[in-house]
Amino acid sequence: AQSVAQPEDQVNVAEGNPLTVKCTYSVSGNPYLFWYVQYPNRGLQFLLKYITGDNLVKGSYGFEAEFNKSQTSFHLKKPSALVSDSALYFCAVRDIPGGYQKVTFGTGTKLQVIP
Amino acid sequence: EPEVTQTPSHQVTQMGQEVILRCVPISNHLYFYWYRQILGQKVEFLVSFYNNEISEKSEIFDDQFSVERPDGSNFTLKIRSTKLEDSAMYFCASSQKNTGELFFGEGSRLTVL
Repeated sequence: AQSVAQPEDQVNVAEGNPLTVKCTYSVSGNPYLFWYVQYPNRGLQFLLKYITGDNLVKGSYGFEAEFNKSQTSFHLKKPSALVSDSALYFCAVRDIPGGYQKVTFGTGTKLQVIP
Repeated sequence: EPEVTQTPSHQVTQMGQEVILRCVPISNHLYFYWYRQILGQKVEFLVSFYNNEISEKSEIFDDQFSVERPDGSNFTLKIRSTKLEDSAMYFCASSQKNTGELFFGEGSRLTVL
């Protein structure tokens, strides 16, 4: 079964500082990995994905994520946080060999950027 | 930019009543999903739908739930007899490819009294 863990319920970072939101995954084969962001009372918005290729993936709004197969991690990063980045962030995984379409989401990490 | 639209945005219903939540996925997408989120927390998979049939469903998606794509554009989720614990935000999503990212609607908030 596929699963994803986000160990931090909340991350606080000062504006202008780098931010990291952690994610680890578990799959039986190779994963497709995703990050989504949710603003209050809104749907989830796609940020970036890893399918194959370079381990460092760049996405929307200056976010990037690094795929680390040995550590089964896919941490979300941004070099300089903005107050407008404050939101709920979800890591998600799909197990490739399963042949199914289901995408499993983590429990979410609330990012608070302090001015 | 194309988007997934959901109606209604909020529905209040009495326990035991039937509810239909509607979604219009992005027009050239082939894979359709329903997820739910309780109290702004975990996003739970309910069902995926491809080629006019359910491709996968979770244990939450019991006999009280059904999905339909009646006319090639709408994608509906029906809850036959609502329970208090069905109160949640229900999100519809679609994707173009099996490997692709999901595009989510803004959600339908269901309140069961």
